[in-house]
Amino acid sequence: AQSVTQLDSQVPVFEEAPVELRCNYSSSVSVYLFWYVQYPNQGLQLLLKYLSGSTLVESINGFEAEFNKSQTSFHLRKPSVHISDTAEYFCAVQGGSEKLVFGKGTKLTVNP
Amino acid sequence: KAGVTQTPRYLIKTRGQQVTLSCSPISGHRSVSWYQQTPGQGLQFLFEYFSETQRNKGNFPGRFSGRQFSNSRSEMNVSTLELGDSALYLCASSLALSTWGKFFGQGTRLTVV
Repeated sequence: AQSVTQLDSQVPVFEEAPVELRCNYSSSVSVYLFWYVQYPNQGLQLLLKYLSGSTLVESINGFEAEFNKSQTSFHLRKPSVHISDTAEYFCAVQGGSEKLVFGKGTKLTVNP
Repeated sequence: KAGVTQTPRYLIKTRGQQVTLSCSPISGHRSVSWYQQTPGQGLQFLFEYFSETQRNKGNFPGRFSGRQFSNSRSEMNVSTLELGDSALYLCASSLALSTWGKFFGQGTRLTVV
């Protein structure tokens, strides 16, 4: 079975500052890793994914995440955040034919 | 291509009643999963359907059930509603069973009073 730990439940930052949202996972099999974003009163949107290949994956809006197998981590980073990045971010893992398992989420608040 | 559509968006029910939520997947997607999201428990997996058959099930009581139709649309039913069933219910579709790339709907906000 897989599990995901998001180490920070809330992360406040100022606009244009860098941010890192941490995610660690546990699995006995090879996994796919995902970050989803949820804006207020919305569903989940896929932000980026790691399936295989390059360990650094990027989204179209400037986020990136790096798969680190030895540390079983998939931290999300952005060098300069915007007010519009305020949302809740969920890390998720899927292994083999198992279901998608989510972390508890990290609420990112970007202040002016 | 239209996204995942969930209806209704909002629902208020009384304790003891039952409720049915609907999910229409992305065209061509044959797998539908359901999740319950609450502030305390986060996102919890309910079940997954593929080809009209339940393929995976989470740890929820039997009051929670679902089904999938031949056109891949899915419904979720909760009987004998309890206050603790108040949550955002999210549906996700994917091309096939447990493939990566689950796309989520906007959710149905269920409030039990």
